[in-house]
Amino acid sequence: AQSVTQLDSQVPVFEEAPVELRCNYSSSVSVYLFWYVQYPNQGLQLLLKYLSGSTLVKGINGFEAEFNKSQTSFHLRKPSVHISDTAEYFCAVSESSGAGSYQLTFGKGTKLSVIP
Amino acid sequence: GAGVSQSPSNKVTEKGKDVELRCDPISGHTALYWYRQSLGQGLEFLIYFQGNSAPDKSGLPSDRFSAERTGGSVSTLTIQRTQQEDSAVYLCASSLVGDGTEAFFGQGTRLTVV
Repeated sequence: AQSVTQLDSQVPVFEEAPVELRCNYSSSVSVYLFWYVQYPNQGLQLLLKYLSGSTLVKGINGFEAEFNKSQTSFHLRKPSVHISDTAEYFCAVSESSGAGSYQLTFGKGTKLSVIP
Repeated sequence: GAGVSQSPSNKVTEKGKDVELRCDPISGHTALYWYRQSLGQGLEFLIYFQGNSAPDKSGLPSDRFSAERTGGSVSTLTIQRTQQEDSAVYLCASSLVGDGTEAFFGQGTRLTVV
């Protein structure tokens, strides 16, 4: 079974500073990788995904992530954060269960707090 | 509808009562998933539907949990004899096909068992 590790449970950062949220996953033959964002009392919104091809993927709200197969990492970055980026961010891997299900396995989440 | 809709948004129930949580997926999406989000366990997969069939129920934590899907659309998650440890946010997601490439989530139902 897949596992996902988000190395930081909380990340405080000043407004307009860059940020990196780290994610590592257990290896597999092939993986689909995702970053979701969750604002308070809301569901999960897809930020970006890696399915295949270019290892640098760009998402919404200025976020991007790089797939590194050798390091089994999929770190999320943004060059300049805004107050509105304050939320919890989840890294996830999609794996086949063998029963035809491609459920997501999530990391524990990273709470990003942007400080004015 | 435009997105995945879940109801109710909040539910408070007494220990031992049964509850039903509803999910309306995006129209035309054949795959539907239920997840549970709790403080201690994070986000956990519960069950997967393809059409009206549930080929993967491996995440259901006990036989008190069941789910069904009708008409290839609406799904209901039922928890019988609720316990305090069932308190969590229950999230539903749907995707056009169940190939793992994308899933759209609802707002969730926050269940509190008192």
